[in-house]
Amino acid sequence: GAVVSQHPSRVICKSGTSVKIECRSLDFQATTMFWYRQFPKQSLMLMATSNEGSKATYEQGVEKDKFLINHASLTLSTLTVTSAHPEDSSFYICSARTRAAGEKLFFGSGTQLSVL
Amino acid sequence: QKEVEQDPGPLSVPEGAIVSLNCTYSNSAFQYFMWYRQYSRKGPELLMYTYSSGNKEDGRFTAQVDKSSKYISLFIRDSQPSDSATYLCAMSLNTDKLIFGTGTRLQVFP
Repeated sequence: GAVVSQHPSRVICKSGTSVKIECRSLDFQATTMFWYRQFPKQSLMLMATSNEGSKATYEQGVEKDKFLINHASLTLSTLTVTSAHPEDSSFYICSARTRAAGEKLFFGSGTQLSVL
Repeated sequence: QKEVEQDPGPLSVPEGAIVSLNCTYSNSAFQYFMWYRQYSRKGPELLMYTYSSGNKEDGRFTAQVDKSSKYISLFIRDSQPSDSATYLCAMSLNTDKLIFGTGTRLQVFP
């Protein structure tokens, strides 16, 4: 299957700092990338959808000024958590979709964010 | 009522058992149905992908979709300790926004 690389896998930061998470599709061009958040023992919640070269579409309740998404190329999307607070601590996962794989979604390995 | 309901488990079975995992859903318009496996603190891995109703088999895994009952299942034959993980069902109207179940934690003991 297609490979999606996500970095970093774990980050610990102080409250008030910003954190950037990268998501790359390694062997395919992703028409669309998705960002999810997962709290312990809960399911994945879609935060936003991003298409290359256009603004991300955020789900209801997700602050677009706090979670900045940039999708500059067909292989790279970034999520920046600005002015992180302890309540932003969560597991963030990106996924990418490609028409070449029948529109299936492939997920990155996730980033565990801990805000102190 | 949640759009997708899934028993969180944990489900504990001996090695070699047949495992049955299920989800129910409320939106009859869902067309795409998927099962993902997620190991602790890792991203989900796509196991099975089904469009509309019917059965699909891949090795030890069989996915079933019953749209009339709004019920999907994943069967794992000859379960192995390495199958121990959380299994998430997911579904969507199109190939865009997936709605996930909460996941069922499976433990296969030797």
